[in-house]
Parts: sequence; C-alpha cells; structure tokens
Amino acid sequence: GEKVEQHESTLSVREGDSAVINCTYTDTASSYFPWYKQEAGKSLHFVIDIRSNVDRKQSQRLIVLLDKKAKRFSLHITATQPEDSAIYFCAASGNYGSSGNKLIFGIGTLLSVKP
Amino acid sequence: GPKVLQIPSHQIIDMGQMVTLNCDPVSNHLYFYWYKQILGQQMEFLVNFYNGKVMEKSKLFKDQFSVERPDGSYFTLKIQPTALEDSAVYFCASSTGTGGLEQYFGPGTRLTVL
Repeated sequence: GEKVEQHESTLSVREGDSAVINCTYTDTASSYFPWYKQEAGKSLHFVIDIRSNVDRKQSQRLIVLLDKKAKRFSLHITATQPEDSAIYFCAASGNYGSSGNKLIFGIGTLLSVKP
Repeated sequence: GPKVLQIPSHQIIDMGQMVTLNCDPVSNHLYFYWYKQILGQQMEFLVNFYNGKVMEKSKLFKDQFSVERPDGSYFTLKIQPTALEDSAVYFCASSTGTGGLEQYFGPGTRLTVL
C-alpha cells in the first residue's frame, strides 16, 4: 500500500531562518498532499495543502512544492518565528473525489525555532 | 475555525470490556474518519464513513471495531471486546467531501487497555 516517508524527524532553526521539511510517497496515484501542525497537547491543525495539478503553492510564509516525477513534496516555512515550533505532519491521499479521502501520514517532524 | 470534539479525552478500561469513543464532527460535514496513533508511531487510517455507510477500512479495522452515526448524533467508534494492542490515541476527523478535501481533526481520545 501507499507509504509516506518524512525525512527529518527533528529540525532546529534560528528565528528568521527558513525551515524545510521533506516527504516522499510511493503511490503514483496520490493526488492530494496536506500538511498538518500539532502543538504540544493540541490536535492536528491543517496548515496548507497542494493538489497534483500544480507544483507550487504559497500561503503567506508557507510554500509547498510538489515534484511528481520524484514523488516528493516539501514544506518551506520562511522567516520562522518561535510560534512555528511544533510537530509537522505530511500526508498523501489518492482517493480524490466523492468517495472521501483517506490520508496516509508521515511520522512527523519536530520543528524547534530558537530565538 | 471549525472544531471537531471528542469525548472522552482519556479512557482506561480492562481488556475484554467494550468501549465507545465519541466524536462530534463539524456540523455541515459529510465524511467522517477515524485514525489510530500508537505512541511514537505514524498516525494510521482506520475507516471512513459517509451517508450511513463505511466507505473504506484498513486492515487495522478489526472485526471487533464498528462505527455508526445514528440520526446525526455523535460519530462513534466501538471496540468490543478490547485487546491490549488497542491502546493508542484515536483521532476523529471530518470533511465536507464535495471538493473540499481538508480534514478537520479532533483532539484525540487516549485509550488505555489494561
């Protein structure tokens, strides 16, 4: 079945620097790639997603890149702030459409932004 | 933003007993999901549910598991009987399903089976 690998288990950056988290997937049919943020003791919070019909999407300081040929997608957080510190999960789904979509998650990356 | 609620936040039960985990999804959402996360491991899909029916389930969704949402009330996951390996955090999620793929997650229920 589909597997999603998240390459960085931990990542530490200085405030103001960029952080990059990389994920790869195995199923070429995957077409939807969301990212979630989980702060300590809280639930998963959707941050951004990308669909397979584009290769780049930006929302404020967040950029998602998708390389379908390499089956790789990445989250770039620019101008990081201490409140960006959290666990970030990537996910992939191939069930795009009216049947609902099951998400296959990566293991998560603990991002620490140091002042 | 929209919130998914889960009740209870923690549940401790003895092996072999029945447990029901409750989820209050976002009010206009049509698709409902359960995911399981064992400490230190990936979150894994269990099941999704639409229009009163299971649409897809994973191999983790054992015969002892069942889901329902009677008359628009809570979306529930029932485990009967429970086993030690059922200890995990269970996350509920919901989505509109009609073009909006974003899933909104609840805070999770930590289940401990003794």
